[in-house]
Amino acid sequence: GNSVTQMEGPVTLSEEAFLTINCTYTATGYPSLFWYVQYPGEGLQLLLKATKADDKGSNKGFEATYRKETTSFHLEKGSVQVSDSAVYFCALSVLMNTGFQKLVFGTGTRLLVSP
Amino acid sequence: GAVVSQHPSRVICKSGTSVKIECRSLDFQATTMFWYRQFPKQSLMLMATSNEGSKATYEQGVEKDKFLINHASLTLSTLTVTSAHPEDSSFYICSARDPLLNSPLHFGNGTRLTVT
Repeated sequence: GNSVTQMEGPVTLSEEAFLTINCTYTATGYPSLFWYVQYPGEGLQLLLKATKADDKGSNKGFEATYRKETTSFHLEKGSVQVSDSAVYFCALSVLMNTGFQKLVFGTGTRLLVSP
Repeated sequence: GAVVSQHPSRVICKSGTSVKIECRSLDFQATTMFWYRQFPKQSLMLMATSNEGSKATYEQGVEKDKFLINHASLTLSTLTVTSAHPEDSSFYICSARDPLLNSPLHFGNGTRLTVT
């Protein structure tokens, strides 16, 4: 089946620290991979994505590389800010019989950054 | 600004009553919307795909008579939790994609339902 596993939180860091949030997946076929972010009181927003092996998605200083050999899509940022405090969701997309893409989400990882 | 609006953000209801949650696309027409449910410390689980002008497509294990979905217009889908019970308490989130822009999914802010 299709599933996403990401590290449990919360992840607590000081400002300017290096961030890694691990994400691994199982999937049939060749899914696209995503990171979504949910800031307090807001809906989910797409942070970055990668559509094929070895692709690197990047946005707002965050990066993740689609690693087919390790079935991973770890999220990294070199220097976090307090404003990065949020819940981060790793997800993959699968094509349903209806022709629509369906997103399968991980459990989410809460990041807390202190000044 | 938000392109998908979900209302209400929080609702508390008594066991046995029904609750309606609205999901609106603000800047685009969405022929398809998606309804998710999130249990504490668990993933968002797709419940159903809402199709404008036709019946919703439900995921395996989701009771269609319990969770009624109506997508009567290109900008509005509603999810009604009928005869709610405490085990229906959860966080419900809708999403939609602008088909003309082939944009990523836009998510609403979610609705926290508490059934007492």
